[in-house]
Amino acid sequence: QKEVEQNSGPLSVPEGAIASLNCTYSDRGSQSFFWYRQYSGKSPELIMFIYSNGDKEDGRFTAQLNKASQYVSLLIRDSQPSDSATYLCAVNEVRPGHTGFQKLVFGTGTRLLVSP
Amino acid sequence: DTEVTQTPKHLVMGMTNKKSLKCEQHMGHRAMYWYKQKAKKPPELMFVYSYEKLSINESVPSRFSPECPNSSLLNLHLHALQPEDSALYLCASSQDRGSGGTKERQFFGPGTRLTVL
Repeated sequence: QKEVEQNSGPLSVPEGAIASLNCTYSDRGSQSFFWYRQYSGKSPELIMFIYSNGDKEDGRFTAQLNKASQYVSLLIRDSQPSDSATYLCAVNEVRPGHTGFQKLVFGTGTRLLVSP
Repeated sequence: DTEVTQTPKHLVMGMTNKKSLKCEQHMGHRAMYWYKQKAKKPPELMFVYSYEKLSINESVPSRFSPECPNSSLLNLHLHALQPEDSALYLCASSQDRGSGGTKERQFFGPGTRLTVL
């Protein structure tokens, strides 16, 4: 059973602080890692993806991947109240014959609360 | 352009009704997905179409019937649903990146909020 683990939170940070969201996964063969942001009652929005070990930065967001430790994280710098949402970590499930599409395994999400 | 559209936004139906959910994308994506999401849970994959062929059916009950009329459209036909089927139904699409299923990125539509009475 492929698993993706996240702390459900809530993770509370003050405005302007760095929010650190973490995710571990069980399938060593996984090759792509995604962070989705989901506001209450809305659909998931892809905000970051990472394929290689190391850091990937996009604006205030940094994704970090450590395949040896099977660990992926999302850092949000200068957190804003508008960042308050649930952040879903998703990892591709490796299956032979999956060409042209992929199956994602989602974590249960971490709820982030940014207070003014 | 990363837009996936879904209609209707909200749907209320009785257990004997037949209804359909629609999903459309014009990004040239060749994979389309149906997910079901209950409150405070992650999305749960139901079906995947790749190049208009059903590639994954996650043992979904037959009261849910998917259809992919062409590369831009995806339908989900609903019949004889149960109250526990009430959920947010999400459509997603992804482009074939030639990576053997490892680097596709899925983009979600806004979803259809379904209530079964």
